[in-house]
Amino acid sequence: GAVVSQHPSRVICKSGTSVKIECRSLDFQATTMFWYRQFPKQSLMLMATSNEGSKATYEQGVEKDKFLINHASLTLSTLTVTSAHPEDSSFYICSASPGANYGYTFGSGTRLTVV
Amino acid sequence: KNEVEQSPQNLTAQEGEFITINCSYSVGISALHWLQQHPGGGIVSLFMLSSGKKKHGRLIATINIQEKHSSLHITASHPRDSAVYICAVEHMDSNYQLIWGAGTKLIIKP
Repeated sequence: GAVVSQHPSRVICKSGTSVKIECRSLDFQATTMFWYRQFPKQSLMLMATSNEGSKATYEQGVEKDKFLINHASLTLSTLTVTSAHPEDSSFYICSASPGANYGYTFGSGTRLTVV
Repeated sequence: KNEVEQSPQNLTAQEGEFITINCSYSVGISALHWLQQHPGGGIVSLFMLSSGKKKHGRLIATINIQEKHSSLHITASHPRDSAVYICAVEHMDSNYQLIWGAGTKLIIKP
């Protein structure tokens, strides 16, 4: 079945530094990938939709200069949290789909802690 | 009112019980998804439905498009089924974007 690899699974960084999270579709091409954030005991919230070869579409309230998304190939999308602050500490997860009617495959998620 | 409502929010049951989790939505959809999120956060896609019923092992998912309602059933529940179960819908013409329910936290006691 479709597999999405996300790493790192956990990262602790100092306030002010940047962190990059990778999301790879291992056995299918993903024209579109999605990035979500989940705060404790809350539902997943879509941050942005990443389309290969074009700029990401960000949801309202998500700072595009803070959360840089790059989708350079059909199998790789990256999310970079720039100048991280403790309030950015959260669970970030990506998903991808081979196409309409094929469902979604989720990465295993990244737990970011900013200290 | 949320576009996707799940009930119950929390459910605790004994091992072996038949479990039902409900999902109602208020928008036109092209598909509905049931997902399972384990305590570590990882998410597994269980079902994608656009009509009728699907079964996988002890899990059964049904959807009634006219009533805008779906149910997830677990037969012969087991402690390893303990997780958060999330309903999410694909809004029509949304380019795959999902609208998420708040999730149902299920605990199965041995």
